[in-house]
Amino acid sequence: QLQLQESGPGLVKPSETLSLTCTVSGGSISSSSYYWGWIRQPPGKGLEWIGSIYYSGSTYYNPSLKSRVTISVDTSKNQFSLKLSSVTAADTAVYYCALAVAGTPLDAFDIWGQGTMVTVSS
Amino acid sequence: SYELTQPPSVSVSPGQTARITCSGDALPKQYAYWYQQKPGQAPVLVIYKDSERPSGIPERFSGSSSGTTVTLTISGVQAEDEADYYCQSADSSGTYAVFGGGTQLTVL
Repeated sequence: QLQLQESGPGLVKPSETLSLTCTVSGGSISSSSYYWGWIRQPPGKGLEWIGSIYYSGSTYYNPSLKSRVTISVDTSKNQFSLKLSSVTAADTAVYYCALAVAGTPLDAFDIWGQGTMVTVSS
Repeated sequence: SYELTQPPSVSVSPGQTARITCSGDALPKQYAYWYQQKPGQAPVLVIYKDSERPSGIPERFSGSSSGTTVTLTISGVQAEDEADYYCQSADSSGTYAVFGGGTQLTVL
């Protein structure tokens, strides 16, 4: 049973870089057709797609965040990561990592991590 | 930027049918997906490719598409179906993914 687990600081200062890692267990991050994504949800609000990555490193980003986002993959650790620079209070949210099995970067997310709350505050 | 529009809330009595819509200009070209999210939990995929149901999702959940609107239908609503529901799709060129604003389903 493939599982995802987010990890990283729960508190980030304004203007700094938010860094999160998603560890994949029960399967290989290098599986063909799998796309790995990040989604966030501000408190009391809806879901926002941040971006997705293929194990080869091909990335797809939300245009509204593209200038501040980097998603990368580490196949040796079976992990993928999110970096969001120049954060503000508006970036406070629960951040989810997720897996799209079907083979396209914009497909449905079949499996989700439990989510991790990140607060931007000084 | 591209947007998907959902009603903020839908209310139904137990046993009735709930219909939640999602509208977007690119929906005739792009598949839609539906998620159920209960408080404090991660979303769960309930419909993919407009009308397909993942294994383990009850048959009372179904999806349909007509033009620029897709619809999630829950037949014979149960108390446990009370949750937020989100649609997801992509822009017309298939460049980025978008979520609808979400619909809160209340079972009266």
